[in-house]
Amino acid sequence: QVLLQESGPGLVKPSQTLSLTCTVSGGSISGGLYYWSWIRQHPGEGLEWIGYIYNSVSTYYKPSLRSRVTISLDTSKNQFSLKLSSVTAADTAVYYCARENDNMYFDYWGLGTLVTVSS
Amino acid sequence: QSALTQPASVSGSPGQSITISCTGTSSDVGAYNFVSWYQQHPGQAPKLMIYGVTNRPSGVSNRFSGSKSGNTASLTISGLQADDEADYYCSSYTTGTTRIFGGGTKVTVL
Repeated sequence: QVLLQESGPGLVKPSQTLSLTCTVSGGSISGGLYYWSWIRQHPGEGLEWIGYIYNSVSTYYKPSLRSRVTISLDTSKNQFSLKLSSVTAADTAVYYCARENDNMYFDYWGLGTLVTVSS
Repeated sequence: QSALTQPASVSGSPGQSITISCTGTSSDVGAYNFVSWYQQHPGQAPKLMIYGVTNRPSGVSNRFSGSKSGNTASLTISGLQADDEADYYCSSYTTGTTRIFGGGTKVTVL
């Protein structure tokens, strides 16, 4: 059973960088079989795809967020991370990490973590 | 890149069938058979219900079924039960290698 768990600060100040980590257990994140993804959900709203890292080095981001987003992998810790720079209140959301397989569906999700952007 | 279009809400009585539509474009839903559906109860993470337009993961009730015609995918829930009350989201692969979600549909069991 694959488990994903998000961790990181729940409060970030405007203009700073939001940093979250997803720890994966029950399976290895190396090997290039999956797209390790980040998805967010603004309060009371729908899901928004942020981006993924694939095959340890290939990344792809939502075009409107591309200039602020970095997703990276740490195979030694079986973790992947999200960094979102220059945050504003509009980045307040529940952030989910998820595993997407090569048939393009998200089969495992973390429980999500709420990040609030406020001074 | 706008979200896929879903009705905001759909309701039905226990035992009835309901269908949720998910309309995209020829660059996403219409172009690929990579449409998936997720169920989300309040305060919980989304759960995969349908993948590849029509396929059910192990453990998902056969009361859930998916289909697609042109740029519109659909999720049908038959024999509606109280526990089906949740938000439902569609998702699709898109040209340009991105992913896109629908705006979500709140299902109410009357």
